[in-house]
Amino acid sequence: AQSVTQLGSHVSVSEGALVLLRCNYSSSVPPYLFWYVQYPNQGLQLLLKYTTGATLVKGINGFEAEFKKSETSFHLTKPSAHMSDAAEYFCAVSVTIQGAQKLVFGQGTRLTINP
Amino acid sequence: KAGVTQTPRYLIKTRGQQVTLSCSPISGHRSVSWYQQTPGQGLQFLFEYFSETQRNKGNFPGRFSGRQFSNSRSEMNVSTLELGDSALYLCASSLPTLDYEQYFGPGTRLTVT
Repeated sequence: AQSVTQLGSHVSVSEGALVLLRCNYSSSVPPYLFWYVQYPNQGLQLLLKYTTGATLVKGINGFEAEFKKSETSFHLTKPSAHMSDAAEYFCAVSVTIQGAQKLVFGQGTRLTINP
Repeated sequence: KAGVTQTPRYLIKTRGQQVTLSCSPISGHRSVSWYQQTPGQGLQFLFEYFSETQRNKGNFPGRFSGRQFSNSRSEMNVSTLELGDSALYLCASSLPTLDYEQYFGPGTRLTVT
């Protein structure tokens, strides 16, 4: 079964430091992978997605992620954290079960930015 | 283009009651999915509707049901509410694309007392 594992339920970095949020997936077929961000009392907003082609994907707000098939990983990075990046981040994989698609989400990583 | 809208945004109900939540997808989107989000269980898939038909269903009891109308608007209903049903209920809509990118609404915060 396809699944997503996010390593670290909480990550804390200083403002201006590198942000690295880890995501590993299991999939028997080439996956479609997503990163979503959720701010307090809001829904999920798409940061970026990998479908095919270039393995380094750039998203909104300066985030990017690299698809590494050999490591089954799709880690999210940002070179310099801003206070406004404090939120919860979800990695997801698109799966097809009996002809119907759905997104399977990781447990989420709460990112805290220290001034 | 307007985003996904959900009503109401906040709801307080008493155990044993029932509740109906509404979701209007982005114009042109025919697929609507529902998720339950809780601190303990994270994001869990409830069900998906496409062209008024339930196409996919998660592992939830029969108290959770939904439907979709011809204009793609969707409702979900929870009967005989339990304290554990307190959660943020998220609706997402999508086009029939290969990657199944979903667009989320702001959610309905349900509190059961």
